[in-house]
Amino acid sequence: GESVGLHLPTLSVQEGDNSIINCAYSNSASDYFIWYKQESGKGPQFIIDIRSNMDKRQGQRVTVLLNKTVKHLSLQIAATQPGDSAVYFCAEGRGFKTIFGAGTRLFVKA
Amino acid sequence: EPEVTQTPSHQVTQMGQEVILRCVPISNHLYFYWYRQILGQKVEFLVSFYNNEISEKSEIFDDQFSVERPDGSNFTLKIRSTKLEDSAMYFCASSEDRGHRQPQHFGDGTRLSIL
Repeated sequence: GESVGLHLPTLSVQEGDNSIINCAYSNSASDYFIWYKQESGKGPQFIIDIRSNMDKRQGQRVTVLLNKTVKHLSLQIAATQPGDSAVYFCAEGRGFKTIFGAGTRLFVKA
Repeated sequence: EPEVTQTPSHQVTQMGQEVILRCVPISNHLYFYWYRQILGQKVEFLVSFYNNEISEKSEIFDDQFSVERPDGSNFTLKIRSTKLEDSAMYFCASSEDRGHRQPQHFGDGTRLSIL
């Protein structure tokens, strides 16, 4: 079936560097995407969302980019900190449900 | 910041027994959801609930599952006769408006272990 998924299961970055987590989706009709962060033992925590009428949206230290032409979105984290270590999920809002991708585990090296 | 709360944090149950997982959604939210996450896997949608009825459910949500909003604050998931494969983290979520185009806010989950 049509899905949303991440490119890499793990990503390791140096503290202070920028992180980029990528995600692809297959349904060209998809029009709402969300990034969640999940720390160990916790539930998914909302980070930022974007609607298909936008290409870019910025939050505090995070930016989401949406490329509808190639059906790709990315999450950029500026000045990555140890507290950013977690699993990051891209997700699609579809009807009443949220469809999660497989997740990328971000490791931050001190 | 308001949050979704879930109890218990960990539930251990014998196979075949009934279990009820409880959630208190964010107070002004109108839409409620249950998801599950088997260890190491994706978060999977189970069911959405609005205006005291199910609005959407997945194939996972079969006849052994039911949901209820017994009062103005609680939202429960009941599994009637648990199976080993029901072992997972179960997350409750809520949103202000319909899930589409509104972020769902998740609790920290109940770890369900079936023996």
